[in-house]
Amino acid sequence: GEDVEQSLFLSVREGDSSVINCTYTDSSSTYLYWYKQEPGAGLQLLTYIFSNMDMKQDQRLTVLLNKKDKHLSLRIADTQTGDSAIYFCAEGGGYNKLIFGAGTRLAVHP
Amino acid sequence: GAVVSQHPSRVICKSGTSVKIECRSLDFQATTMFWYRQFPKQSLMLMATSNEGSKATYEQGVEKDKFLINHASLTLSTLTVTSAHPEDSSFYICSAHLEQGNEQFFGPGTRLTVL
Repeated sequence: GEDVEQSLFLSVREGDSSVINCTYTDSSSTYLYWYKQEPGAGLQLLTYIFSNMDMKQDQRLTVLLNKKDKHLSLRIADTQTGDSAIYFCAEGGGYNKLIFGAGTRLAVHP
Repeated sequence: GAVVSQHPSRVICKSGTSVKIECRSLDFQATTMFWYRQFPKQSLMLMATSNEGSKATYEQGVEKDKFLINHASLTLSTLTVTSAHPEDSSFYICSAHLEQGNEQFFGPGTRLTVL
């Protein structure tokens, strides 16, 4: 079945780049998404990439997609303390359903 | 961007009672809304797909008689947790699918605590 996997925790120093990785299994996914969740809050869509793209850049965010390896990554440049949150990778399943990874908790320290 | 609201944001109820959670798309119409459940430090698990004007589609393992979903209008879906028990305590999040794109916009979530 469909499955999305992420590493659970990432710690970076303020100002460094963060790279969060994700692997998925459903090669038919049309879109892949990155969401951010702050404590006690809902999900905020950060960015998404169409499956026929290799890369998408949006300000400090860069998404890389390796469709052959079914690997997706999110790079956050110049990471700030306000970027501390849980980041979820999701693939667009059938009927617009989203399949989420377990989330990567990003901790930014001075 | 599109805004989705949920009400209430927090609810505490006694075991055996029913709780209704509302999900509204504030500035767009959504023929499809989704209900997710998130346990502490875990991912979101899709419970059901709510379709306006028709019956909801439930994921495997989700009891449709326990989690009643009504999508009576293009801007409102409700989830009723019937005869709630402590194990139903969770964070319930809805999302609405924007037809013109491929995005889902999420509500802020409802934290349910069943005593």
